[in-house]
Amino acid sequence: GIQVEQSPPDLILQEGANSTLRCNFSDSVNNLQWFHQNPWGQLINLFYIPSGTKQNGRLSATTVATERYSLLYISSSQTTDSGVYFCAGGAKSEKLVFGKGTKLTVNP
Amino acid sequence: NAGVMQNPRHLVRRRGQEARLRCSPMKGHSHVYWYRQLPEEGLKFMVYLQKENIIDESGMPKERFSAEFPKEGPSILRIQQVVRGDSAAYFCASSPPPSRQTQYFGPGTRLLVL
Repeated sequence: GIQVEQSPPDLILQEGANSTLRCNFSDSVNNLQWFHQNPWGQLINLFYIPSGTKQNGRLSATTVATERYSLLYISSSQTTDSGVYFCAGGAKSEKLVFGKGTKLTVNP
Repeated sequence: NAGVMQNPRHLVRRRGQEARLRCSPMKGHSHVYWYRQLPEEGLKFMVYLQKENIIDESGMPKERFSAEFPKEGPSILRIQQVVRGDSAAYFCASSPPPSRQTQYFGPGTRLLVL
């Protein structure tokens, strides 16, 4: 089955810094999502982005489908951005395969 | 439009008991997915259902676990004779037809087996 690798596994930032999170897929996906799991365990949809670029406030994402990777950009980070960021993709079926996540800590 | 609803949010069971987890999809969504998250890990797919049909159960353990999505009412994930290793967060997601659309996740049910 498809493999999903996320990097880095851990990231510590000072408030106001920018960051880039990466997600690599072992095979082509046609269903790709980014999520933020907050410290209370809630999963929040960030982007549905099987290809192209999208922006939502301080967050943006780019997926290069032909090269099987996706990037999540966080600009001017805030302490409320802390948590775990997951990417997940689906290939021939509807089920999503999740990466192990990037744990982000933003210090004041 | 209410989001995906799951109940209970927390469930404590003793070994050997049964656990029933409920999921009400978003209005208009006919596709339901169940995922399990073990501590400090990512989510793993368990089962994908549409109304009255199991479409893909490739992630379900072969024994003790079952899922249904009846014509009326919520989807149910049932775990019989729970063991400590079943302790995890169980997330339900839903999406509208057609398939391969954004999956919206519920708040999860945290199951603790004593």
